[in-house]
Amino acid sequence: KAGVTQTPRYLIKTRGQQVTLSCSPISGHRSVSWYQQTPGQGLQFLFEYFSETQRNKGNFPGRFSGRQFSNSRSEMNVSTLELGDSALYLCASTLRTATNEKLFFGSGTQLSVL
Amino acid sequence: GQQVMQIPQYQHVQEGEDFTTYCNSSTTLSNIQWYKQRPGGHPVFLIQLVKSGEVKKQKRLTFQFGEAKKNSSLHITATQTTDVGTYFCAGPGGGNEKLTFGTGTRLTIIP
Repeated sequence: KAGVTQTPRYLIKTRGQQVTLSCSPISGHRSVSWYQQTPGQGLQFLFEYFSETQRNKGNFPGRFSGRQFSNSRSEMNVSTLELGDSALYLCASTLRTATNEKLFFGSGTQLSVL
Repeated sequence: GQQVMQIPQYQHVQEGEDFTTYCNSSTTLSNIQWYKQRPGGHPVFLIQLVKSGEVKKQKRLTFQFGEAKKNSSLHITATQTTDVGTYFCAGPGGGNEKLTFGTGTRLTIIP
């Protein structure tokens, strides 16, 4: 099976712009989560989608939004970019069994805001 | 909200020495997971512990879940250069969070 695919791998934007990141989960996985990783704050949960519905949301401002399509692919959008949004954005698809739940992360999108 | 702390933040060890990272949650966890992130890479799932006092081994790695289900540890015996990376614990968060990740322990190996 192919892994979690995130595009683009790197992105450079300027303050005030908006950005859209894409994530294709592992085939058959219907849950997609997004995390922001920065050296200072570690891994911070953004939101989770399951069957096109947002199930959970972390403590991020409304500038951060996402959606999931019927094929389970997900996008996240950040509007009005700020310097502090520079981070590695990781997408993870979830495999759930009766006793286990594993996150499979993509390689991430490294966003730099200038 | 829930906080998950790990100590130490950094650890430098000579190749062949042992390494341990400790994870402490401010709340009781239903389960705890461990992930490893190589430099420049992404987190990779290692293991999940569910039961109080549970101990699991993966070759040179030993994982423990505390009796009170609020702490956990990862111990690596006889470290190798392939063990380099940051080790994260993660537990289900309270409120509307999915998984709360620990602050991570970055392991470097001195050859």
